[in-house]
Amino acid sequence: QKEVEQNSGPLSVPEGAIASLNCTYSDRGSQSFFWYRQYSGKSPELIMFIYSNGDKEDGRFTAQLNKASQYVSLLIRDSQPSDSATYLCAVHYGGSQGNLIFGKGTKLSVKP
Amino acid sequence: SQTIHQWPATLVQPVGSPLSLECTVEGTSNPNLYWYRQAAGRGLQLLFYSVGIGQISSEVPQNLSASRPQDRQFILSSKKLLLSDSGFYLCAWTQGGELFFGEGSRLTVL
Repeated sequence: QKEVEQNSGPLSVPEGAIASLNCTYSDRGSQSFFWYRQYSGKSPELIMFIYSNGDKEDGRFTAQLNKASQYVSLLIRDSQPSDSATYLCAVHYGGSQGNLIFGKGTKLSVKP
Repeated sequence: SQTIHQWPATLVQPVGSPLSLECTVEGTSNPNLYWYRQAAGRGLQLLFYSVGIGQISSEVPQNLSASRPQDRQFILSSKKLLLSDSGFYLCAWTQGGELFFGEGSRLTVL
């Protein structure tokens, strides 16, 4: 069974702090990793993807991948109240490009 | 740029009634299309995907079906809804190895 695990939260951080979201996956053969942001009642929005070990930065967001530990994380620097949402980790295990296994998501709350 | 439209946005249906959700993509040709469902307390789950007209792959056995009558149209159907079919249904397409979602259709089965 291919799985993606996330802490459901809620994770609460003060405005301006770094939010750290974590995700583990079960299949060492996974090649592609994605982070989606989902506001309440809305559809998921792709914010980051990472394919190689190490860090990938995009503005205030940094994705980190460690394939040996089967671990992927998302750091949000200078967190803003508008970052409050559920963050979904997704892993591509093979087959069709859009065939992703999603975690249940971590709810992030940024307090002003 | 590509856009994806889903309708209806919200619907409430009785158990045993039929269902039809429609998804249309604009700005691209021959897209790979997907239907996902997000049920309460569960992660997003892939239901069907299609790589072309009339080509449907099912990922999860259920009482739902999908069809792709035109290149940019993807339809999710059921003949008889179950309570467990309630959820947020998302149509998606891939571009450059990345998956993008439409706005979703929220179904409540009573």
